[in-house]
Amino acid sequence: NAGVTQTPKFRVLKTGQSMTLLCAQDMNHEYMYWYRQDPGMGLRLIHYSVGEGTTAKGEVPDGYNVSRLKKQNFLLGLESAAPSQTSVYFCASSLAGTGLEKLFFGSGTQLSVL
Amino acid sequence: AQKVTQAQTEISVVEKEDVTLDCVYETRDTTYYLFWYKQPPSGELVFLIRRNSFDEQNEISGRYSWNFQKSTSSFNFTITASQVVDSAVYFCALSEIRGGNQFYFGTGTSLTVIP
Repeated sequence: NAGVTQTPKFRVLKTGQSMTLLCAQDMNHEYMYWYRQDPGMGLRLIHYSVGEGTTAKGEVPDGYNVSRLKKQNFLLGLESAAPSQTSVYFCASSLAGTGLEKLFFGSGTQLSVL
Repeated sequence: AQKVTQAQTEISVVEKEDVTLDCVYETRDTTYYLFWYKQPPSGELVFLIRRNSFDEQNEISGRYSWNFQKSTSSFNFTITASQVVDSAVYFCALSEIRGGNQFYFGTGTSLTVIP
């Protein structure tokens, strides 16, 4: 019953440090997404992937990079963290991209950038 | 412009009261999908319901019901006889066919059910 697994769950960074968030899904889903959740702003799409080896920008991609080398994994990288990137990050996946597919979410990563 | 608007930021009700969460959306597409997700205090978002733009029938599932009205671009969610376990943040979301399964989320409504 793993579904979508995110690591780590919590992280504190200093400004300028880098880190990678890992998302893994075991449902053989084609699409994977990274969202950030900020108070009063709901969930905003950072980047997404429509299949292994592909990535695309979402609504708020600046300051982030992603990679999807394996179908089951979707990595989110911060090369030089900034306080504005303090947020809760959610990974999600869906079977396909037809528009009707529901999203399956991970449990989130709380990131603080000091 | 916000594609999905949840005007209610926070709602508090006493247990067993009914509560309706409002959602208004904006799209030019004729084919689209609407969703509700629940985010309990544990943090993980959980899918509740999906509706396509051609199906305006209201739906009831236990204590939950959804009222979809294209004429007013609304997809409201009602919880009947609320329980403490219903306390959560609820998100309405829109998915447009052209968007390749990109979801547009509202800002969420935080519901607190007081025992």
